[in-house]
Amino acid sequence: GAVVSQHPSWVICKSGTSVKIECRSLDFQATTMFWYRQFPKQSLMLMATSNEGSKATYEQGVEKDKFLINHASLTLSTLTVTSAHPEDSSFYICSAGDRGGLDETQYFGPGTRLLVL
Amino acid sequence: DAKTTQPTSMDCAEGRAANLPCNHSTISGNEYVYWYRQIHSQGPQYIIHGLKNNETNEMASLIITEDRKSSTLILPHATLRDTAVYYCIVRPNFGNEKLTFGTGTRLTIIP
Repeated sequence: GAVVSQHPSWVICKSGTSVKIECRSLDFQATTMFWYRQFPKQSLMLMATSNEGSKATYEQGVEKDKFLINHASLTLSTLTVTSAHPEDSSFYICSAGDRGGLDETQYFGPGTRLLVL
Repeated sequence: DAKTTQPTSMDCAEGRAANLPCNHSTISGNEYVYWYRQIHSQGPQYIIHGLKNNETNEMASLIITEDRKSSTLILPHATLRDTAVYYCIVRPNFGNEKLTFGTGTRLTIIP
């Protein structure tokens, strides 16, 4: 099946710093990628839809100036958490759809665990 | 809001078939039924999806009722590694359509 990678797998940072998370589709092209966030014991919540070559679409309640998304190519989307605070500590997961396949099933990355001190 | 209803938790004996139900009574004609699972501290793993016909792959079988208002995911011979949260999601089969996750079913395989 299609493979999606994320980097880094975990990161610890100080409050006020910015953290960049990469999401790559390794063996397929994805014009659309999605970013989710998951807090402990909760389900995945969609943060934004990342479209190659255009601005991301954010879900209600997600600050676009805090969570910067760039989708510069068909295989790479990045999420930057700016001026991170402890309440941003969470599990961030991306997904991508395989436009070259028979359907457009979304495949997920392994996730990035962020801890802000 | 999630458009599916699943039991909160289920147990299944190792080696037996695990049958996970899902209700999606408001499913639209162009929506597929997708199943994903999430093992602790990992990203969700795609299992299977279908529109109206039953489907089978190397991981599982998906049985969709004729009226498409419910479905069942079957893991034919459950192992301890199948312990996970299983999510049933309905979604049009277009790449730019988001997945909306509900609370899923926490399946525990008992040795």
